[in-house]
Amino acid sequence: EIVLTQSPDSQSVTPMETVTITCRASQPIGTSLHWYQQKADQSPKLIIRHASQSLSGVPSRFSGSGSGTDFTLTINSLEAEDAATYYCHQSSSFPQTFGQGTKVEIK
Amino acid sequence: DVQVEESGGVVAQPGGSLRLSCAASGFTFDDYSMHWVRQAPGKGLEWVALVSWDGHYTHYADSVKGRFTISRDNSKNSLSLKMNSLTTEDTALYYCGKEGSWGAVDVWGKGTTVSVSS
Repeated sequence: EIVLTQSPDSQSVTPMETVTITCRASQPIGTSLHWYQQKADQSPKLIIRHASQSLSGVPSRFSGSGSGTDFTLTINSLEAEDAATYYCHQSSSFPQTFGQGTKVEIK
Repeated sequence: DVQVEESGGVVAQPGGSLRLSCAASGFTFDDYSMHWVRQAPGKGLEWVALVSWDGHYTHYADSVKGRFTISRDNSKNSLSLKMNSLTTEDTALYYCGKEGSWGAVDVWGKGTTVSVSS
């Protein structure tokens, strides 16, 4: 099983700051890595797929990068509405797995 | 609108069985693989199972293998999860999800709650 380790576990950030969340895979997964945003009491929402592919309707301040074992989700100019827990997910091999999540709080 | 909606979550006893259902609408159901993902109270997301578009291939998390069975009925745009030998560790909100491009889950339901307790 591929283990995804996110860091940090949580982060408290001031609006307009840049947030960087990393996801490290225990073995290479190419670019089969996706990012989700889950706000309190809501279902997860896909925000980046295939490591760096943006999605329609997702603000351009969200971006992803990486390949192999190291991946990054960047949120530029953080807004209050970005308060959420962020998860990475690998679809490279079965069983598929999620990272443990990174909680982003707004100061 | 592209939607999936889960149902069937209840309170069950340890060792018991349960079947969850997911109704899909707004997309060509038999073009896509489908997932179940769960989230225990206050915890993160855990991938549970996947069924291929035609139902021929299934994959499971190690924690549910041999106890859970994922299946689909393309004639009814419906996905199921049969859960046997339930334990308290299976207590969670269960999400149904549609697989989109590159293997990402691009449509999620609101979830259905399973509580395993004596």
